[in-house]
Amino acid sequence: DIVMTQSPDSLAVSLGERATISCKSSQSLLHTSNNKSYLAWYQQKPRQPPKLLIYWASTRESGVPDRFGGSGSGTDFTLTISSLQAEDVAVYYCQQYYNPPFTFGPGTKVDIK
Amino acid sequence: EVHLVESGGGWVQPGRSLRLSCAASGFTFDGYAMHWVRQAPGEGLEWVAGTSWNGGLIRYAASVKGRFTISRENAKNSLYLQMNSLRVEDMALYYCVKDKGAGSYPAFEAFDVWGQGTMVTVSS
Repeated sequence: DIVMTQSPDSLAVSLGERATISCKSSQSLLHTSNNKSYLAWYQQKPRQPPKLLIYWASTRESGVPDRFGGSGSGTDFTLTISSLQAEDVAVYYCQQYYNPPFTFGPGTKVDIK
Repeated sequence: EVHLVESGGGWVQPGRSLRLSCAASGFTFDGYAMHWVRQAPGEGLEWVAGTSWNGGLIRYAASVKGRFTISRENAKNSLYLQMNSLRVEDMALYYCVKDKGAGSYPAFEAFDVWGQGTMVTVSS
């Protein structure tokens, strides 16, 4: 199974400042057939289901604010919130969909400093 | 608008069975893979099972393989999860999830629509 790790476990950022979350996979998520990394990012607010933010490591889902950005390839990925807003307080998960079981990272909790 | 509504959760004793259902609307159900994902109270997300658009490709997490069965009935826009031999560790909120991919390759992509979930409690 592909193991997903995230860092940090939690972080507190001032409003308007940048938040950066790292995600690493135990094997490459880059598929040579289409040169895409099979990595997604989700946001989960309290008492809500997760919401897809980013897929193919860097493609923003429709309707997601452009302050959310994904980068990386292979085994190392980053989710960046360029200017943190109050409504961004949530837990963020990365997930690989390269091979089943489709494993998630343990999550990173983002709060306001 | 795309909607996924789960039902069938509840309290059950260890070793018993439960069947979850998911009613889909607002999209062409038979064009997309579907999944079940669970979340134990206060914990992270765990993918449970997935089925391709026509049920021809099905995969399970090791923790449920042999006990759970995912199925779909495209004519009824419905997804199911038959859960047998339930254990205390199966207790969780179970989400019905739509896959973003439309087509046969790749069979599975990111998860773009999630239901509100149905809670399964396993306790004696």
